[in-house]
Amino acid sequence: EVQLVESGGGLVQIGGSLRLSCAASGFTVSNRYMSWVRQAPGKGMEWVSVIYAGGTTYDADSVEGRFTISRDNSKNTVYLQMNSLRADDSAVYYCARGAYSGGAYGYYFDYWGQGTLVTVSS
Amino acid sequence: QSALTQPPSASGSPGQSVTISCTGTSSDVGGYNYVSWYQQHPGKAPKLMIYEVSERPSGVPDRFSGSKSGNTASLTVSGLQGEDEADYYCSSYSGINNYVFGTGTKVTVL
Repeated sequence: EVQLVESGGGLVQIGGSLRLSCAASGFTVSNRYMSWVRQAPGKGMEWVSVIYAGGTTYDADSVEGRFTISRDNSKNTVYLQMNSLRADDSAVYYCARGAYSGGAYGYYFDYWGQGTLVTVSS
Repeated sequence: QSALTQPPSASGSPGQSVTISCTGTSSDVGGYNYVSWYQQHPGKAPKLMIYEVSERPSGVPDRFSGSKSGNTASLTVSGLQGEDEADYYCSSYSGINNYVFGTGTKVTVL
């Protein structure tokens, strides 16, 4: 059974740092592309970052240069290092597994974790 | 990257149909057949309902269907049931390894 469990959220001051973790089970993260998607309270969803099976990463413009996605294959875990946090980074952060279609990237997400809440405050 | 535009709300009585639109541009919705739809109940994780515009994952009822015309994609829920009351988000690949989500639509079953 595929499971994604996020952790590491909490209250942090503006300008601070936080590292989120996404522990995966039921599949191997190094064989998949994985993303972080966030949702501010009462707002819509916003894609944040992606890491592809080969290790290449991409970030949304809103977090470029401040957030870094990575993974530890030995722990089957994906991370999101968040630096220089701002108030508008406050959100529930979801880890999502990218899906393939016909052997190619499907560019959609078939499993999601329950999310971890990040609150950035002064 | 601007969010895809969805109506804030939609509603229907049990057994009726409701259609949600998702409008983007030629750089996202109109440019790729990589539109997906997600259902989210309050406090829960999103659930994939439709991928690649009109494909349904196993386990999703065939009451859910998707389509696309130009820069606008649509999700139709036929035979509305109480459990369909939720928020729905569209998403599209937007090139250069970017993804964009819609603003979200709250579906109410009257």
